Amino acid sequence: EVQLVESGGGLVQPGRSLRLSCAASGFTFDDYGMHWVRQAPGKGLEWVASINWNGGHTGYADSVKGRFTISRDNAKNSLYLQMSGLRAEDTALFFCAKGYVDTAMARSTYFDKWGQGTLVSVSS
Amino acid sequence: QSVLTQPPSVSGAPGQRISIACTGSSSNIGATYDVHWYQQFPGTAPKLLIFADTRRPSGVPGRFSASTSGTSASLAITGLQAEDEADYYCHCYDSSLNAYLFGTGTKVTVL
Repeated sequence: EVQLVESGGGLVQPGRSLRLSCAASGFTFDDYGMHWVRQAPGKGLEWVASINWNGGHTGYADSVKGRFTISRDNAKNSLYLQMSGLRAEDTALFFCAKGYVDTAMARSTYFDKWGQGTLVSVSS
Repeated sequence: QSVLTQPPSVSGAPGQRISIACTGSSSNIGATYDVHWYQQFPGTAPKLLIFADTRRPSGVPGRFSASTSGTSASLAITGLQAEDEADYYCHCYDSSLNAYLFGTGTKVTVL
């Protein structure tokens, strides 16, 4: 059974940094692209970032470009999101999601498995 | 900011058929990129409901179906059941933004 377990969320002050992790199991991790999607409280889903199977190709939403970095460690079956320069508008539940192919930004990509999310709150 | 527009809410009585529209543009749905749909219950993670415009993952009931036409997509639920009360989101790639877009989301209420 595919499992994605996010961690690392918490309360952080504006301008500070935070690193999210996603531990994957139940599938061959390095066969698939991985993604981060967030959901602000009471709001809809927003794609954040994507990474291909070996970390060589990434993509970011304009809202986080230059501030967030997605990475992965295939030896540890783990996905990461390094967030810096955090803003109040980054407050959200961050989901880790598995893509159905090995690429980062395939036009046809969909997210076939999701974790339960980790909550990031940015406030002074 | 999402450019896939959905109605905020749709409601229907048990057994009825409802549909949810997802309106995009020539750089996403109109460019024939695949449209996908997710179902999300309060406090839980989204679940893939429809992929590649019309296909249902294993385990998704046949009362869920979807289609695309031009710059829009549509999700239909036939034989609406109380357990279908949830939020629904469409999803598509956008070439002008080089980004994945989600629709604004639709809350389905079973009367």
